[in-house]
Amino acid sequence: GAGVSQSPSNKVTEKGKDVELRCDPISGHTALYWYRQSLGQGLEFLIYFQGNSAPDKSGLPSDRFSAERTGGSVSTLTIQRTQQEDSAVYLCATGLAGGQETQYFGPGTRLLVL
Amino acid sequence: AQSVTQLDSQVPVFEEAPVELRCNYSSSVSVYLFWYVQYPNQGLQLLLKYLSGSTLVESINGFEAEFNKSQTSFHLRKPSVHISDTAEYFCAVRDFGNEKLTFGTGTRLTIIP
Repeated sequence: GAGVSQSPSNKVTEKGKDVELRCDPISGHTALYWYRQSLGQGLEFLIYFQGNSAPDKSGLPSDRFSAERTGGSVSTLTIQRTQQEDSAVYLCATGLAGGQETQYFGPGTRLLVL
Repeated sequence: AQSVTQLDSQVPVFEEAPVELRCNYSSSVSVYLFWYVQYPNQGLQLLLKYLSGSTLVESINGFEAEFNKSQTSFHLRKPSVHISDTAEYFCAVRDFGNEKLTFGTGTRLTIIP
């Protein structure tokens, strides 16, 4: 596709359930990033992939959060045993690696944990 | 970058008036600087970026930002705003050698007709 796509666009889940969020990057983009946008915290970095490896996982808030990327393409962010404080918009961005390169953002997945 | 500060969470401006959205950052290394915009019900889009060279950078829709190293600032300005500029604006910083963006908390620009 022309842009970064994310699915689902909205997800409502019950506390304690696991959720998976998907990101489809722009074709050819080797770098992939996950961010979280929440009312209290603003936009926070979660994890960065270069190809299938994740050299920077420093933003993952707890061990309930994990992510993988396969084939240098699609990425999945998994949150286990969701908590109410996990409610946020999860944004995926992709680009070419390198500090000067632009990160292109997807529309996000709005997660609500009840 | 250790932090990015956008002091104004909301800025109301009359149509055709000038506006300045402030951004300051702190970092122990050199940085790249970005402004992203989020229009209502849309995703984040890059507005403009400073990488090197001229400290004044411009966007295609009339915004400009100036990198001031001594003041560690990257304020965004537009001489005359339009209704269509209503959006939330995020300043972001990326350290040399680092991949992640550190964002400010955003400034919601509201244009008053």
